[in-house]
Amino acid sequence: LAKTTQPISMDSYEGQEVNITCSHNNIATNDYITWYQQFPSQGPRFIIQGYKTKVTNEVASLFIPADRKSSTLSLPRVSLSDTAVYYCLVGERRDDKIIFGKGTRLHILP
Amino acid sequence: DTEVTQTPKHLVMGMTNKKSLKCEQHMGHRAMYWYKQKAKKPPELMFVYSYEKLSINESVPSRFSPECPNSSLLNLHLHALQPEDSALYLCASSQAPGQGADGYTFGSGTRLTVV
Repeated sequence: LAKTTQPISMDSYEGQEVNITCSHNNIATNDYITWYQQFPSQGPRFIIQGYKTKVTNEVASLFIPADRKSSTLSLPRVSLSDTAVYYCLVGERRDDKIIFGKGTRLHILP
Repeated sequence: DTEVTQTPKHLVMGMTNKKSLKCEQHMGHRAMYWYKQKAKKPPELMFVYSYEKLSINESVPSRFSPECPNSSLLNLHLHALQPEDSALYLCASSQAPGQGADGYTFGSGTRLTVV
């Protein structure tokens, strides 16, 4: 499982776009990049997954450069309810477990 | 039903007590997981069950004893815990092992306090 590095915490304001970058220099050819969100006193929730270039869903976008050594989770027009911890995971689809790194604690201010 | 249900939501137990945490899912998932999460730390994997059989034990002390009676139910039996075992215990399920990190569903957890 490739090691990931994320900022420990970030602050932003309501209505702003927030970008959280994750470094994964040792990513392997078969690895996918997955992001989870965790609200206080709740379990993590899947947000988005990608392999290369750009993926977008109703919640977020994931940008992955050609070398795949990093990725950026983009949250458009955040609200107070987006305050949470965001985890970047890197691993093969056939992995039989997921291991969480330290995550990024995002705090949205009014 | 697309949820993982954990009971109880809160539990306070003494160090000599025996208690059990329960996790249930009706999504037909055949892999189930226990994670432990301390305050302001990421979830740590404890056990993985694959098709009702224990496939991964992450060197968890024997005072934690998992059980998977059927494909929908996962228990965690607790005995002689220590105060440092106080944490949020999360259960998760996925369709099957090795189906990708995008397919995990987590419960809301049991907040355990050992006194």
